[in-house]
Amino acid sequence: ILNVEQSPQSLHVQEGDSTNFTCSFPSSNFYALHWYRWETAKSPEALFVMTLNGDEKKKGRISATLNTKEGYSYLYIKGSQPEDSATYLCASLTGKLIFGQGTTLQVKP
Amino acid sequence: NAGVTQTPKFRILKIGQSMTLQCTQDMNHNYMYWYRQDPGMGLKLIYYSVGAGITDKGEVPNGYNVSRSTTEDFPLRLELAAPSQTSVYFCASSFRSGGISGELFFGEGSRLTVL
Repeated sequence: ILNVEQSPQSLHVQEGDSTNFTCSFPSSNFYALHWYRWETAKSPEALFVMTLNGDEKKKGRISATLNTKEGYSYLYIKGSQPEDSATYLCASLTGKLIFGQGTTLQVKP
Repeated sequence: NAGVTQTPKFRILKIGQSMTLQCTQDMNHNYMYWYRQDPGMGLKLIYYSVGAGITDKGEVPNGYNVSRSTTEDFPLRLELAAPSQTSVYFCASSFRSGGISGELFFGEGSRLTVL
């Protein structure tokens, strides 16, 4: 993997559903993996910065895992709420901090 | 603390004009970045700086220049504006220690249209 790739590109879920997205990144020269939440008309805000293989981080209903050997991270949202609607960005630090194209989540009430 | 401040928020340029996007942070962060956001493309890194006097190219540096004369300021200059530079520009800063970047703090963005 040469670039940072996120999937799916967009996701529509019902309120109360749990969901997850994937971030794939180059596993060589890895330093850190960032997750950001980006609401429409606002600036991105950091959720997690992860550095160690096997890292798991949690903030409320949102959690993330990291596998640096195979180059992927998962972001999980438990019991999605309409206020979770946003674009979720991951970024890989390998010298430069390079972002994926994002996963846009829409949670319907 | 104001955090990261970008100006202007909106600007319309004619093809061939020049302009500078200003970025200032008051958190004493050593790293600063300029990204552009294009629809469906996420954030693309234009230039970044690891400290005063040091800058480096990102993914899409062509058509832009930067300078970092102080820790606080990281202006982005467009020399000959082209329609392809129509985008939303974000400045960000972080504190980086031991090769690990802490979380990025973003400015509010600058929407630039080149006609």
